Formats: sequence, C-alpha cells, structure tokens
Amino acid sequence: DAGVTQSPTHLIKTRGQHVTLRCSPISGHKSVSWYQQVLGQGPQFIFQYYEKEERGRGNFPDRFSARQFPNYSSELNVNALLLGDSALYLCASSPDRANTEAFFGQGTRLTVV
Amino acid sequence: GIQVEQSPPDLILQEGANSTLRCNFSDSVNNLQWFHQNPWGQLINLFYIPSGTKQNGRLSATTVATERYSLLYISSSQTTDSGVYFCAVVNYGGATNKLIFGTGTLLAVQP
Repeated sequence: DAGVTQSPTHLIKTRGQHVTLRCSPISGHKSVSWYQQVLGQGPQFIFQYYEKEERGRGNFPDRFSARQFPNYSSELNVNALLLGDSALYLCASSPDRANTEAFFGQGTRLTVV
Repeated sequence: GIQVEQSPPDLILQEGANSTLRCNFSDSVNNLQWFHQNPWGQLINLFYIPSGTKQNGRLSATTVATERYSLLYISSSQTTDSGVYFCAVVNYGGATNKLIFGTGTLLAVQP
C-alpha cells in the first residue's frame, strides 16, 4: 500500500515568491493536515482538511492557504515568501476528522533565500 | 492549550543499552502517538496508544491517561534507533483535532 506522498521533496525559492506543496493521502483516508517544522522544534499545526472543507487552522498568517480536492489530495500554498518560512513542511493523513492515528509523508524541505 | 513535555531532552547510549523516554501532558487527551523522526526528516509511526500498553519488537509503550503521562521503552538499542523521538497528543475538547507535539528527545546510539 502506498503511504502518504509529498512533492516536491526539496525546493529553493526567493523571498517574495509563491510556492505550492502537494500531498496525496493514504488510500481511503479523508483527512489531510499540514504541519511546519523549523529546525530544532517539533511540528506546528497549520491546517486540517476533511471532506474537502477546512476543519482547523493554526496560528499562521493569511499568506498560508490550502485546499483539498475530490480525490482527497491537498495543496498548501504560501504567498510572499519570507526567510522565516524556510522549514520542513509535513503532510499527515488520517482516516477521520478526529485525527485517529495520523501518518506522515516524507516532507518537503523549503529553503527561502 | 495543552502543554506536552518530554524528557530527557537528549540521551546518549551505547549500542545494546536500554532506555526510557517520558511524555507528560497537562490535560486529558483522546489520542496519543509516538513517532521517530529519522535523519531525513520523516516521522515514522511507532505507536498509537491513547491508553494501555503495547509492544512491537524491541520497543514498547505505556500510557497512563489518568496520570497524564506516557513512556516509550527501547531495549537493546541499535545505531539505527538514533534520531528524535516525539510524542503527540490530540484533545477533542479543543478548537481543532490537531496533533500537539512534545519537545522531543534526541537519541544518539553509539557503536
């Protein structure tokens, strides 16, 4: 069975640019959540989507947005990139809205220069 | 919100040694998971353990929800066990069903 897949694995962007990160959940899972992990810290919650609707949002600026498609895959978009957005972005897949046993993808490492 | 503290923050072991990692949380939780983050950043699921005890090979975990802590036991450690161990909890009483991660334990197993 395929696990959670994220693309791209690595990305370098310039300040002010826009970035789109993608995630495909485990087959049958309807919930996708996004987390940001900066060096030396634990992952911080950005968004949860379930059944194509936003079900939760963390303490991140409006430059961060996301959506979920009918096949339950998801995109995370970040506008007007700042140096501080450099981080590992992790996608988590779970079968339900309750986030019962989440599984993570390998992450996208974003570097903003 | 819930605070999740892990101890110790760092741990150095010789190969073959045993260790216990602890996760304390400040409020009742509905889910608790243990993860191992490998050097490439991927979070590997170890246990989904909101309560009780589970074992998987050299690893086992116990969660005592009423006392708000969980323990991860690693026996006969190997160099491949090196990395960061996180516990993460979910509280359904919050605004979202997000995973709240602990502070992590950095484990280094030396040959």
